[in-house]
Amino acid sequence: EDKVVQSPLSLVVHEGDTVTLNCSYEVTNFRSLLWYKQEKKAPTFLFMLTSSGIEKKSGRLSSILDKKELFSILNITATQTGDSAVYLCAVIGADGLTFGKGTHLIIQP
Amino acid sequence: GAGVSQTPSNKVTEKGKYVELRCDPISGHTALYWYRQSLGQGPEFLIYFQGTGAADDSGLPNDRFFAVRPEGSVSTLKIQRTERGDSAVYLCASSLRPKDTQYFGPGTRLTVL
Repeated sequence: EDKVVQSPLSLVVHEGDTVTLNCSYEVTNFRSLLWYKQEKKAPTFLFMLTSSGIEKKSGRLSSILDKKELFSILNITATQTGDSAVYLCAVIGADGLTFGKGTHLIIQP
Repeated sequence: GAGVSQTPSNKVTEKGKYVELRCDPISGHTALYWYRQSLGQGPEFLIYFQGTGAADDSGLPNDRFFAVRPEGSVSTLKIQRTERGDSAVYLCASSLRPKDTQYFGPGTRLTVL
């Protein structure tokens, strides 16, 4: 059974701080890893990672995948209150798309 | 273009009743997925359609849950004899092809009293 573990489960920081969210996985027939941001109900897509060592970047967010050590990180620099959300990591493997429990990020003004 | 839409956004029902939740995927997306998300948890897979057929329904918790996609576009998730434990947000997602990036709808929050 595919497994995705995210850490920390929750994180509170001040505006302007940099945060790193972690995702480790055990997956049969790994295909790709995805990061989503969930603010109310719908997860919104952030990144899809398929190759090790290649950083994906979008504004203040960036992510990288390590297929040897089976983990990914999501970095957010110069955080803003609008970054407050649950960040979900998911992996596409033999079982389809498997989600972690998410990291609940709170940015305090 | 339009994203995935789901109706209703909220549904409150009484224990034992029947409910239908609707999902309208992104036009042209062949794959459609249903998930259930409880508070503090990631989305949990229920069923996946490729075209009109259910390619994988292994996540449906029991036979009270059923889903259809008769014309390969809109899908309906049907829950019979609802129980309080069915209360959750039901998310629908679609992808252009299986194993591609999934795009989610806004979800339906189901509350069973």
